[in-house]
Amino acid sequence: QVQLQESGPGLVKPSETLSLTCAVSGGSISSSSFYWGWIRQFPGMGLECLGSIYYTGSIYFNPSLESRVTMSIDTSRNQFSLKLSSVTAADTAVYYCARQRGHSGGWCLDYWGQGLLVTVSS
Amino acid sequence: DIQMTQSPSTLSASVGDRVTITCRASQSISNWLAWYQQKPGKAPKLLIYKASSLESGVPSRFSGSRSGAEFTLTISSLQPDDFATYYCQQFESSPWTFGHGTKVEIK
Repeated sequence: QVQLQESGPGLVKPSETLSLTCAVSGGSISSSSFYWGWIRQFPGMGLECLGSIYYTGSIYFNPSLESRVTMSIDTSRNQFSLKLSSVTAADTAVYYCARQRGHSGGWCLDYWGQGLLVTVSS
Repeated sequence: DIQMTQSPSTLSASVGDRVTITCRASQSISNWLAWYQQKPGKAPKLLIYKASSLESGVPSRFSGSRSGAEFTLTISSLQPDDFATYYCQQFESSPWTFGHGTKVEIK
């Protein structure tokens, strides 16, 4: 059973960089069948995809966030990471990491982490 | 970005009811659509992918269909465990956008 677990600070100051890591267990992050993604859910419950990364380092970014988002993958540790720079209160959300199937699997997000609430506040 | 218009935003129903939730894409997305169920404090759970394929382990009372640009999630006989919020998501083009959700409440 694949499991994902987000980690990182729950409170970030405005203008600083939000840094999160997702540890994957029960499956290899180097599998050619999957991407690894970040999704956030705002307090009003809307969901937004931030981007997805492949084990080769290939990345899909949400264009609205591309200038602020950095994603990386560490196959030796079976984990991937997100950095979001210059945060504001509007970035306050629950951040999820998830496994994304490739083309043959319909691209959907089939396993999710439990989520981590990140609040941007001074 | 592709906009996903989901309706209704809230639905009141009783156990045993047949429930239908609709999602319409602002442009063609072929069958690149998934449906998720989310309960309070939990991550979304995949129900349906490629518009009509039932995810392994999901009860058969859930089904998905497509008619042109309109996609439908149907629960054939609502069970107590089904009261939750449901989201659609398109995968035709990045960014992979979600509908705004449909909350299924107890009538």
